[in-house]
Amino acid sequence: SQTIHQWPATLVQPVGSPLSLECTVEGTSNPNLYWYRQAAGRGLQLLFYSVGIGQISSEVPQNLSASRPQDRQFILGSKKLLLSDSGFYLCAWSPISYGLQFFGPGTRLTVL
Amino acid sequence: KNEVEQSPQNLTAQEGEFITINCSYSVGISALHWLQQHPGGGIVSLFMLSSGKKKHGRLIATINIQEKHSSLHITASHPRDSAVYICAVRRVGGGSNYKLTFGKGTLLTVNP
Repeated sequence: SQTIHQWPATLVQPVGSPLSLECTVEGTSNPNLYWYRQAAGRGLQLLFYSVGIGQISSEVPQNLSASRPQDRQFILGSKKLLLSDSGFYLCAWSPISYGLQFFGPGTRLTVL
Repeated sequence: KNEVEQSPQNLTAQEGEFITINCSYSVGISALHWLQQHPGGGIVSLFMLSSGKKKHGRLIATINIQEKHSSLHITASHPRDSAVYICAVRRVGGGSNYKLTFGKGTLLTVNP
């Protein structure tokens, strides 16, 4: 069966510090991968989407970046965090671009 | 106006009651998703539907494409059903068949 992992589960970082969140999927190959952010009181917002290694689509201009160095690994990063980057970050995968999406447990990021 | 509107925003019920959560959307879609977000933040995909009705256990999802409306029903509700229920739509066209547009969610609390 397929599983999706995210770490860390929680993170507190100072403004201006770098960020690296990791997501890995097991039990499938060539998944479509997604990074979402859920800010307090707001709906889920798609940040990045990837159909394959090195292929990243950015949905929202921001100081975040994403990379997919391996087929089942998706990394979300930032060189300098802003207060507004605080939120709940979710990674998801789907077997096809228009299929059901399966979500990871999420990372709760607080930027102070 | 948001492209995806859910009602009610908050819903409190007694154990055993029949629950209905509504979702209306204003764009053409190829599919509609219902998601469940637990208090800890984890998200589970419940349904993906493009027409008619789907049932899984005590959960039933319906969609009326002409009226651009979907409902999620919970029969014989239980305190463990307490969660945020999120509606999301996949828009047609635009080359972004992977992208979901999310509602803000309905917070359901089922009291024993």
